[in-house]
Amino acid sequence: GEDVEQSLFLSVREGDSSVINCTYTDSSSTYLYWYKQEPGAGLQLLTYIFSNMDMKQDQRLTVLLNKKDKHLSLRIADTQTGDSAIYFCAEYSGGGADGLTFGKGTHLIIQP
Amino acid sequence: DARVTQTPRDKVTEMGQEVTMRCQPILGHNTVFWYRQTMMQGLELLAYFRNRAPLDDSGMPKDRFSAEMPDATLATLKIQPSEPRDSAVYFCASGSFDATGELFFGEGSRLTVL
Repeated sequence: GEDVEQSLFLSVREGDSSVINCTYTDSSSTYLYWYKQEPGAGLQLLTYIFSNMDMKQDQRLTVLLNKKDKHLSLRIADTQTGDSAIYFCAEYSGGGADGLTFGKGTHLIIQP
Repeated sequence: DARVTQTPRDKVTEMGQEVTMRCQPILGHNTVFWYRQTMMQGLELLAYFRNRAPLDDSGMPKDRFSAEMPDATLATLKIQPSEPRDSAVYFCASGSFDATGELFFGEGSRLTVL
């Protein structure tokens, strides 16, 4: 089946940029997502990018997509303590629920 | 404000007991998922339904877990008998799988089996 891989943990200092990386195997992915899970809560969609784009920016968030290498990244500028969460990469290749795959999540740890 | 509702939020039980978790998906969503989250394994897909029909439950230990959708407003996940290794947070999510495929998650049911 399709696979989405991401590191389990990332530690950054407050004020620095965080870059969370993800690789996927499905070459027919149409949408790629970043979901955020805050402590004690469910996952919420943070941002997404359509596969014909290579970059999307939204305030402190920058999503980069390298479709050739099947690599997705999420950059958070000026990381704050409120950004401490688990970030999930997911890809969707269409066709309903069968086409959706999540990574296991990256824990972003903020050091003061 | 439409949201996925899960009950119970927290459940502590003893090994061997039956546990039932419930989920009310967002009205109009035709796809419902059950996920399990642990620190060691991360997020794991257990089962999902489309239009109330089970499509894939290959992630679920079938000897003790069962998932059903008795109607469009209720999905259930049952564990019988429960074991300590079932301790995890169980999430329900629903979606309509329009063009973007976005999923909406509930806040989870934290299960502790002693």
